[in-house]
Amino acid sequence: AQTVTQSQPEMSVQEAETVTLSCTYDTSESDYYLFWYKQPPSRQMILVIRQEAYKQQNATENRFSVNFQKAAKSFSLKISDSQLGDAAMYFCASNTGANSKLTFGKGITLSVRP
Amino acid sequence: GAGVSQSPRYKVAKRGQDVALRCDPISGHVSLFWYQQALGQGPEFLTYFQNEAQLDKSGLPSDRFFAERPEGSVSTLKIQRTQQEDSAVYLCASSSWEPFAQETQYFGPGTRLLVL
Repeated sequence: AQTVTQSQPEMSVQEAETVTLSCTYDTSESDYYLFWYKQPPSRQMILVIRQEAYKQQNATENRFSVNFQKAAKSFSLKISDSQLGDAAMYFCASNTGANSKLTFGKGITLSVRP
Repeated sequence: GAGVSQSPRYKVAKRGQDVALRCDPISGHVSLFWYQQALGQGPEFLTYFQNEAQLDKSGLPSDRFFAERPEGSVSTLKIQRTQQEDSAVYLCASSSWEPFAQETQYFGPGTRLLVL
């Protein structure tokens, strides 16, 4: 079984600054995938970034990057040059590959101060 | 192309009423998942379809919950004799069969169910 832990319920960042959201996970599988999803208030859950566990290189998507520490089972999300539109709930999630269910953390609410 | 769509977006039911929630996955997506999201929590897995076959229903909380996908595209989640604890957002997600894309699920907007 997989577990995903997000221990910070809320975070705040000043517009244009950088923020890091933490996530730890546990799994007995050797092959797995990690994701960050964004869920704005009352809106659709959107994929932000994904990381394959077999890849050592950290994934990057524009202003979003991850710090994947496999031995420590840590998967944090860094948002650079924060924008007002980044305000949302962010969920860390994992699965064991194709056609397998996602296991989510409890989420973290990010607010962006103008 | 069009994303995952769900209907209705909001549903208010009286306790004991039956409800049906619909999901239209992305065209061509073979895999379809249902999740339940309680207020302020992360989604939790309910059930999974590959085409019309329901391969995993381990997350369904009781026998009042039933899901189907008879033609391998549209899916319906049915809840019989609704209870107040069924109040939640029900999310549908689909994923592609293409290599290197099967792990990523794309979500619909959800159906917010309130049972009074």
